[in-house]
Amino acid sequence: DTGVSQDPRHKITKRGQNVTFRCDPISEHNRLYWYRQTLGQGPEFLTYFQNEAQLEKSRLLSDRFSAERPKGSFSTLEIQRTEQGDSAMYLCASSLSVAGNTIYFGEGSWLTVV
Amino acid sequence: KQEVTQIPAALSVPEGENLVLNCSFTDSAIYNLQWFRQDPGKGLTSLLLIQSSQREQTSGRLNASLDKSSGRSTLYIAASQPGDSATYLCAVMGGAQKLVFGQGTRLTINP
Repeated sequence: DTGVSQDPRHKITKRGQNVTFRCDPISEHNRLYWYRQTLGQGPEFLTYFQNEAQLEKSRLLSDRFSAERPKGSFSTLEIQRTEQGDSAMYLCASSLSVAGNTIYFGEGSWLTVV
Repeated sequence: KQEVTQIPAALSVPEGENLVLNCSFTDSAIYNLQWFRQDPGKGLTSLLLIQSSQREQTSGRLNASLDKSSGRSTLYIAASQPGDSATYLCAVMGGAQKLVFGQGTRLTINP
């Protein structure tokens, strides 16, 4: 297994369009996280899943954002009606659901809204 | 609410120097603390993980310490090299099972 995989790596979209990002975690990891990072800042938590259950959502995740993990494997993050403020890198991470376990990150998906 | 602060925000040193990056956090009820490296435009690479019961961890030229009671961690890099240039991020995991990050220290090693 080569680690956490994200697709696409880069996306440029016009304001108002919908975009979807996909994350494939490390195969045996049952916990999956989404973070957002803007330039010069540390990553900010958006949401996380344990298996297919979405256990927590940040207030940053407005109703234009939705995340799913239908079979407890890969996950998608969809942003509807994109705004310029959504421009950021969206990072996916995964881990085992053992308290204090190492969290492994993917390479991120860059979103630019023009 | 957990807050993580990293000082300095940026650091530039000549090659070969030993250096220390600092991280502080406000809530000592953590499971662990993790140091990451991030190259420009890339994802995060885990460097070291220190469990709350541990005082330090070492990997090659890197040594991370944790003083949970005072809410502080340091990352020590020995004999720095130009390839160490990157942003270093500190993150703590608390009871909510998610990482809270600092803003990072941008490190430049000059040949």
